[in-house]
Amino acid sequence: AQKVTQAQTEISVVEKEDVTLDCVYETRDTTYYLFWYKQPPSGELVFLIRRNSFDEQNEISGRYSWNFQKSTSSFNFTITASQVVDSAVYFCALRMPGSARQLTFGSGTQLTVLP
Amino acid sequence: EAGVAQSPRYKIIEKRQSVAFWCNPISGHATLYWYQQILGQGPKLLIQFQNNGVVDDSQLPKDRFSAERLKGVDSTLKIQPAKLEDSAVYLCASSLGDSSYNEQFFGPGTRLTVL
Repeated sequence: AQKVTQAQTEISVVEKEDVTLDCVYETRDTTYYLFWYKQPPSGELVFLIRRNSFDEQNEISGRYSWNFQKSTSSFNFTITASQVVDSAVYFCALRMPGSARQLTFGSGTQLTVLP
Repeated sequence: EAGVAQSPRYKIIEKRQSVAFWCNPISGHATLYWYQQILGQGPKLLIQFQNNGVVDDSQLPKDRFSAERLKGVDSTLKIQPAKLEDSAVYLCASSLGDSSYNEQFFGPGTRLTVL
């Protein structure tokens, strides 16, 4: 069975601070995909990144960066110089390859960026 | 490109009543998903369609929930009769195909309150 744990339920930071959201996953498969989604107050989940298990390179996209470490089964997400618009719930998710494979979400981290 | 459309956005019913939700996926997307998101939790897959066929409904409470996608485009999710524990946001998502690699695009959701 697959499982995703986001231990941080809520995080508050002041604007311009850096913040890291933790994600730990469990799977017995060697091939899998990891995702991060953002859910703003409007409710729609917005796709941020997809990473396959064979690509351990860290990725940077603007103020966002992701650190994937298979040794610790973690896929952490860092926002640099946070902004108020970053306030949202962030979900980490795991999916096995192939069709008819469910996307397993963590419970999410509520990030509040204060002005 | 228009996103995933859902209606209604909000619904309040009493227990034992029936309710239906509608979803219109992104044009050309063959795969459609319904998720249930209970407050404070990540989305949980209820059912996945590939065109108008069911691919995965293992977590759908079939004694009260039903879903259809008759022409392989729009979909409806029905609850009959509703229980208090069905209070949640019901999210519809679509993707080009059912491969685990495909990005899922989410609609704004329908917030259901069962009194």
